[in-house]
Amino acid sequence: DAMVIQNPRYQVTQFGKPVTLSCSQTLNHNVMYWYQQKSSQAPKLLFHYYDKDFNNEADTPDNFQSRRPNTSFCFLDIRSPGLGDAAMYLCATSRGRGGYNEQFFGPGTRLTVL
Amino acid sequence: AQKVTQAQTEISVVEKEDVTLDCVYETRDTTYYLFWYKQPPSGELVFLIRRNSFDEQNEISGRYSWNFQKSTSSFNFTITASQVVDSAVYFCALSDNNAGNMLTFGRGTRLMVKP
Repeated sequence: DAMVIQNPRYQVTQFGKPVTLSCSQTLNHNVMYWYQQKSSQAPKLLFHYYDKDFNNEADTPDNFQSRRPNTSFCFLDIRSPGLGDAAMYLCATSRGRGGYNEQFFGPGTRLTVL
Repeated sequence: AQKVTQAQTEISVVEKEDVTLDCVYETRDTTYYLFWYKQPPSGELVFLIRRNSFDEQNEISGRYSWNFQKSTSSFNFTITASQVVDSAVYFCALSDNNAGNMLTFGRGTRLMVKP
């Protein structure tokens, strides 16, 4: 089945220790997104890639960066995680950027910062 | 600016009851898209439906139905004969040109269906 895969499902890191979350997709979609979702809140878009074109949301902290080495993979790097970065991180894909394109989400990676 | 309001934070029903989840949106665009997503305890957001602003027809899919009314800027979601497996957080979302076609989510409604 075509899908969006996130690894690991649970990640524990220490305060200030860099961490990388990964996402892969078999849908061959052009757009990949990273969202942060804190407890009992809506997902918040961090950034997205349209093909290789990187688009950062204005309020995404510099601490968060992303890489997309090819169509299938996208990584979220948190350079110096703080306690406030503990959250669920959701990866999503869509065929295009037009509003009619539904986004398909992965299962998420729950990040704990000690 | 675009905005999605889900006024119901949490709803609890007993199995087999019908339940309606409310969604009210704001946008200045004449072309926009509305979505509902389901987030079960496992965490994955599951796409349920997309509606464009030019299609006000109501839709039914099994036990799920959606009522889109532009006059009241609402896109409500009804589950008929609810089941325990319907327990989840449900998000309404809006996509329009003002937001670069990115999704604007509501805060979500947590639905608990008790046996």
